[in-house]
Amino acid sequence: DGGITQSPKYLFRKEGQNVTLSCEQNLNHDAMYWYRQDPGQGLRLIYYSQIVNDFQKGDIAEGYSVSREKKESFPLTVTSAQKNPTAFYLCASSPGTGTSGLFFGEGSRLTVL
Amino acid sequence: SQQGEEDPQALSIQEGENATMNCSYKTSINNLQWYRQNSGRGLVHLILIRSNEREKHSGRLRVTLDTSKKTSSLLITASRAADTASYFCATEGNSGNTPLVFGKGTRLSVIA
Repeated sequence: DGGITQSPKYLFRKEGQNVTLSCEQNLNHDAMYWYRQDPGQGLRLIYYSQIVNDFQKGDIAEGYSVSREKKESFPLTVTSAQKNPTAFYLCASSPGTGTSGLFFGEGSRLTVL
Repeated sequence: SQQGEEDPQALSIQEGENATMNCSYKTSINNLQWYRQNSGRGLVHLILIRSNEREKHSGRLRVTLDTSKKTSSLLITASRAADTASYFCATEGNSGNTPLVFGKGTRLSVIA
């Protein structure tokens, strides 16, 4: 079945460690996105990519990094520079802007110990 | 950013009643979208309404858009306990390929 797969679902990290969250889609979508969600809050955009080998910062990119080497993959690295990384991270994809909604993965919950 | 704001923040109704959620935004848009999120899960796209549309229906969902007031509403008719979730509006700006901006959501509880 087509969809977006995020892994791991739960992740625990010690302070000072980098972690990478995986996002893979088999929908043949050009655009991919990473959002962060804090309890009781909406989604805030971290990074997005509209084409392979290109990505743009969102509203809260500091302390995060991404790569887009393949169309189907858009991993997010949460670096030690991110001051408050405990959150729910959501990856999404879309075929393009203005034509359809976003397809979301099931999310990855990161907890810093 | 042009973040939408949903109203109310939380809504509790009885099964069978209608639920209305509102969204306001600040700048001109290409379209406005509504999403649903069950607790601890990803978001699911419900409906998209373009800036030149005023009303759209999908099953028990009815969405309206008033671009002059920069508001939208989502109506869920004959609600069911399974409709319990958070609902978010998201706007796509009309200045180039801008990504969606989400509001903080309305938490809907439907009591059986």
